[in-house]
Parts: sequence; C-alpha cells; structure tokens
Amino acid sequence: DAGVTQSPTHLIKTRGQQVTLRCSPKSGHDTVSWYQQALGQGPQFIFQYYEEEERQRGNFPDRFSGHQFPNYSSELNVNALLLGDSALYLCASSRGQLNTEAFFGQGTRLTVV
Amino acid sequence: GNSVTQMEGPVTLSEEAFLTINCTYTATGYPSLFWYVQYPGEGLQLLLKATKADDKGSNKGFEATYRKETTSFHLEKGSVQVSDSAVYFCALSDNAGNMLTFGGGTRLMVKP
Repeated sequence: DAGVTQSPTHLIKTRGQQVTLRCSPKSGHDTVSWYQQALGQGPQFIFQYYEEEERQRGNFPDRFSGHQFPNYSSELNVNALLLGDSALYLCASSRGQLNTEAFFGQGTRLTVV
Repeated sequence: GNSVTQMEGPVTLSEEAFLTINCTYTATGYPSLFWYVQYPGEGLQLLLKATKADDKGSNKGFEATYRKETTSFHLEKGSVQVSDSAVYFCALSDNAGNMLTFGGGTRLMVKP
C-alpha cells in the first residue's frame, strides 16, 4: 500500500500564476482533505471532498478550489497566486468521517516568487 | 470557533528525560482529540487519539488523557529518545468529524 501520495513534491511559481496540486488517497479511503501549513505553523484546513463534492470549507478565499474524481483522487487549484500562498500543502485521506484516522501525505512545497 | 493552544518550543531534553507538552483547547460540544508528529521532511503521522472525556490515548510510550474539566490533552512520555526529536501537533476534530483544527506545533529536540 503506497499510502497517500502527492505530486509534485516541490514547485516554484510566479505571483499571479495558477497552480494545480494532486493527491491520491490511501487504498480504501474515500474522503480527501487539504491543509495549508505555513512555515513554523500548524496546518490550516482548506476543504474536504467526499463523493466528488466539497463537504466542508475552511476560511480560504475562492482562489482556492478543488475537485475529487470518481477514483477518489483529488486536485487543489490555486489561482492568482500571492507570495503569502507559499507553504506546504498537505493532503489527508480517511474512510468516512475524519475523526477516524486521517493519513497524511508528505506534502507539496509551493514557493511563490 | 474551535481553537487549540500548545506550548511553544523548542523543548530541549536529554535522553531518558521525562516529557510533557501542554495542550488546551476551546470547542463546542464533544470533539475528538489527537496528537500528530511530524519528522523532518515528512507529512504528519497520527501518534494517539482520544474520543471522549477521561479516555487515555497511548502509543510508542506516549500518553495523553482527555480532560474535559480543564479542556486539556497534555502529551507525556516517561523516557524520551533521540529518535523522538520531531514537531508535535495537538489537534481536535469538530463534532461532524470533517475537519481538524491544529495547534501551532512544539518542536522537541532530544540530545544524547
């Protein structure tokens, strides 16, 4: 079992550009959540997807959007990148509700210059 | 809204010392509580959890007890090892279990 896999591991973008991050959940998991972790801080919840729909959203602007595919994999899209979007983006998967064990990927390190 | 506060680090200990990392929370209802650990360059791993008051979560020598009266979930270990050096995050999940709210993290450094 490969666990939760995220791609790419690192990328650098310019302000104003758009970025897409990808996540494949652990086998048997149907729920995917995305978190933003700024340097030296705890992760902040962006949104969660279940059955291809956004189930809950944190306090993030509409520039942050997502999608879940029928195979449960997910994408996080960020438009009009700002310097402040530089962070580690973590994907977590679980089966059903999140207060069962959530498994995290290693994250994508996004740097906006 | 929900929030988690944990002691700021870094916490520096010698091997075999006793560890306590304090965590308090604010939440409505009856959240589940978690400790996650993040090793350098890696994602978060669940260390232990407790789902109701007075539950004790334990794993790999670490323990934490869900104290509703003090809204706390302090992490303890009787004898730390160098390999325990990492960043530790306290977290809670909302009643629907849809999102985790994390504290700011505490870096632990254990010296031989």
